[in-house]
Amino acid sequence: AQSVTQLGSHVSVSEGALVLLRCNYSSSVPPYLFWYVQYPNQGLQLLLKYTSAATLVKGINGFEAEFKKSETSFHLTKPSAHMSDAAEYFCAVSVANFGNEKLTFGTGTRLTIIP
Amino acid sequence: DTGVSQDPRHKITKRGQNVTFRCDPISEHNRLYWYRQTLGQGPEFLTYFQNEAQLEKSRLLSDRFSAERPKGSFSTLEIQRTEQGDSAMYLCASSLATANTEAFFGQGTRLTVV
Repeated sequence: AQSVTQLGSHVSVSEGALVLLRCNYSSSVPPYLFWYVQYPNQGLQLLLKYTSAATLVKGINGFEAEFKKSETSFHLTKPSAHMSDAAEYFCAVSVANFGNEKLTFGTGTRLTIIP
Repeated sequence: DTGVSQDPRHKITKRGQNVTFRCDPISEHNRLYWYRQTLGQGPEFLTYFQNEAQLEKSRLLSDRFSAERPKGSFSTLEIQRTEQGDSAMYLCASSLATANTEAFFGQGTRLTVV
């Protein structure tokens, strides 16, 4: 079975500072990896996904993530935080055929931006 | 297309009552998923359909839960004899059954059992 661990349930960064949200995965087969963002009382929006192509994945809103097999990590970064980035972020893994049948999510990281 | 639509957005029910939620996927999507999200947790997979066939159910989906997708379009999730532990956000998502596509999520139905 696959699993995801998100280190840090709460992260605070100053506006303009680097955002780093950590995600480690466990999977016995090559995984598909995802980052989703959730705003209050909303559904989830896909930020980016890794599907065994390039290990550095660029997503929306200036976010990117790097797949590191040796470290079983898929950390999310953004060079300069904006106030609008304040939200809950979820890392997810899937090992199904198409990569989206059954997502296993982490417990989430709440990102707060300090003005 | 306005995306995945869920109805209602909020539902308050008394313990022991039955509730039903509806999900309308993106029209051309043949896969439909249900997830449950409790406070402070990530979503947990419940079940998914390809067209009208229910292909997988999680052990989280107890006998009180049933999901249908009768014509391969919209889906319903019914909870019978609700319990306080059923209070959660129920999320629906849809996708195409092809490689490298993403699942699009609806805004969810928040259930409160009192």
